[in-house]
Amino acid sequence: NAGVTQTPKFRILKIGQSMTLQCTQDMNHNYMYWYRQDPGMGLKLIYYSVGAGITDKGEVPNGYNVSRSTTEDFPLRLELAAPSQTSVYFCASSKDRGQPQHFGDGTRLSIL
Amino acid sequence: EDKVVQSPLSLVVHEGDTVTLNCSYEVTNFRSLLWYKQEKKAPTFLFMLTSSGIEKKSGRLSSILDKKELFSILNITATQTGDSAVYLCAALDYGNNRLAFGKGNQVVVIP
Repeated sequence: NAGVTQTPKFRILKIGQSMTLQCTQDMNHNYMYWYRQDPGMGLKLIYYSVGAGITDKGEVPNGYNVSRSTTEDFPLRLELAAPSQTSVYFCASSKDRGQPQHFGDGTRLSIL
Repeated sequence: EDKVVQSPLSLVVHEGDTVTLNCSYEVTNFRSLLWYKQEKKAPTFLFMLTSSGIEKKSGRLSSILDKKELFSILNITATQTGDSAVYLCAALDYGNNRLAFGKGNQVVVIP
């Protein structure tokens, strides 16, 4: 059971570089989410999607972009990496509104 | 703004002890309260509580919700070293379908 798969697991970027964090799920879930988790803090929602072609901002969307061209994939893009984006990023999915979210293993991103 | 507060933020117990973790919430359109266990990687789902006063159990873990007083507790009995983790509480705002997370309860169980 693959569930939610995130790649890469680790990445170091230089300030100003760009990259895409990949997320795919094989559970046919409609809803997908991107969170960031900073040390000692709870998860903060960056963006979410309720289905293919539909995305919306969460609490902390600045500096990020997303797309949802298929049900399975929900990539997160950083266009101009900044040190404040150093964090652990989690992708999650849920079957429907109000259902428990299931998380991937995370991507640890450092920006130097 | 939705708010979730967990206490204690960290605790150390001996194997066999009982642990009680607290979670209080303020959510505009509250629907459910969820508990997750986070070890090294992904948070893993433990419980979702929607109704007040009904205890949910899974092995040595149990949880209950009080919608009048706006809190939930997670109990772990006969703790084992494998229970060492961060336990995350999250409240679901059904209006925007967002989970508001607390900072977590870090539990360390020593042999």
